[in-house]
This record gives sequence, C-alpha cells and structure tokens, in this order.
Amino acid sequence: GAGVSQSPRYKVTKRGQDVTLRCDPISSHATLYWYQQALGQGPEFLTYFNYEAQPDKSGLPSDRFSAERPEGSISTLTIQRTEQRDSAMYRCASSQGEEETQYFGPGTRLLVL
Amino acid sequence: DAKTTQPNSMESNEEEPVHLPCNHSTISGTDYIHWYRQLPSQGPEYVIHGLTSNVNNRMASLAIAEDRKSSTLILHRATLRDAAVYYCILKVRNNNDMRFGAGTRLTVKP
Repeated sequence: GAGVSQSPRYKVTKRGQDVTLRCDPISSHATLYWYQQALGQGPEFLTYFNYEAQPDKSGLPSDRFSAERPEGSISTLTIQRTEQRDSAMYRCASSQGEEETQYFGPGTRLLVL
Repeated sequence: DAKTTQPNSMESNEEEPVHLPCNHSTISGTDYIHWYRQLPSQGPEYVIHGLTSNVNNRMASLAIAEDRKSSTLILHRATLRDAAVYYCILKVRNNNDMRFGAGTRLTVKP
C-alpha cells in the first residue's frame, strides 16, 4: 500500500473490555513496530515483528497486552481488560528491514472510560 | 541505556536557519544518532541519521561532534511547515527499541 494504515482511528471503550487494534504496514516491509504515545510525550516502544517472528516484547507494559502478525503482514495489538491508564495513541510503524527507516501510521486513539 | 537531552522548546523565525541541539554523553561506539519529527496530529517522520560523519539530505543537515557526545540538527531555512516536535534518538545497532524521549518543540514565527 501507499503508506501504513491503522484502524480504527478512534476507539472508546469501557474499563474491563478487550480491544483489538489493527495495523496494515507498507506491503513490502518486513518489520513492523508498535508504540504507545501518551499526550505530550514521545512514542514508547512496545514490541516489534520481523515478518511473523516477534523477537522483542520487552516494551509491553503488562500481560494484558499482546500482539500478533500471523502471516507476516497485517498485525493486531490486543489489550485485555482495559484500564483507564491504557488511554493513549497507539502507533504502528513499518520498515523494509531491521535497522531501516521507520514509517509511521496515523495511529489509533484509544479512550478507556 | 544511552539517553539524549534536548531543550523542551525552541523558537525560530521563518526563512532563518535553526540549530536544534542534542546531548548524548553516554553514547557508545555502535549507536547511531537518528532524528525524527512529529508534525501536529501526525505520526513521527524520519528526518536524518548518522554515525560519525556529518550528513546532509534534502530535509536537513546533521552535525556530529568529534567526540560524538552531542549533535545538532540544522534546518537551513525554516518554514512554517517545519513547526513540529523534533526527537533525537540513539539507536543501538541490532536493537529495534527506539527511545524517543520528549523531544524539542519547534515554533516557527512568520
């Protein structure tokens, strides 16, 4: 595709519900990243994939957060039993390979009430 | 982990050069210096990166101190569209964890 796309762009949910966010990377890109960005702060790394492999999950804040990329293209980030502190912008980025320039999507703004 | 220090904010006049500083005194020999910027309501976008030598591209120049403990992003002629938060990031080789920090918010005045 022309760029990284994410859906939904906005998500409002109630505390305790599960949410799943989707990322469509640039089609030729092997590497995909997830970041969490609080208001007024820079993005914080959550996890990344190299094709379907997930070499680094160190940034995931708790075991309520999980990510998948089963076929090495589209990825989902799932937050179980959401809490108000999970409210943030969730950004996806992709790159041709590890170490390459990252291209960011527009983000999904999550609000947990 | 190696960290970067940037001023919280800077102002510039349109059409004038802007020098955005970054200190990274704990940089290691294999850390690359990356700069990204984030325009209002958008995701971050790549600006430039370097290792030891100064770098130029169509967007900006990157001047790296000889001891690599600091660097400066240079926008040669600021435009209103350059108003953004600029992030200086140390990227460890073979590690995809990019730590953005709070960045420098650049305001460009007409």
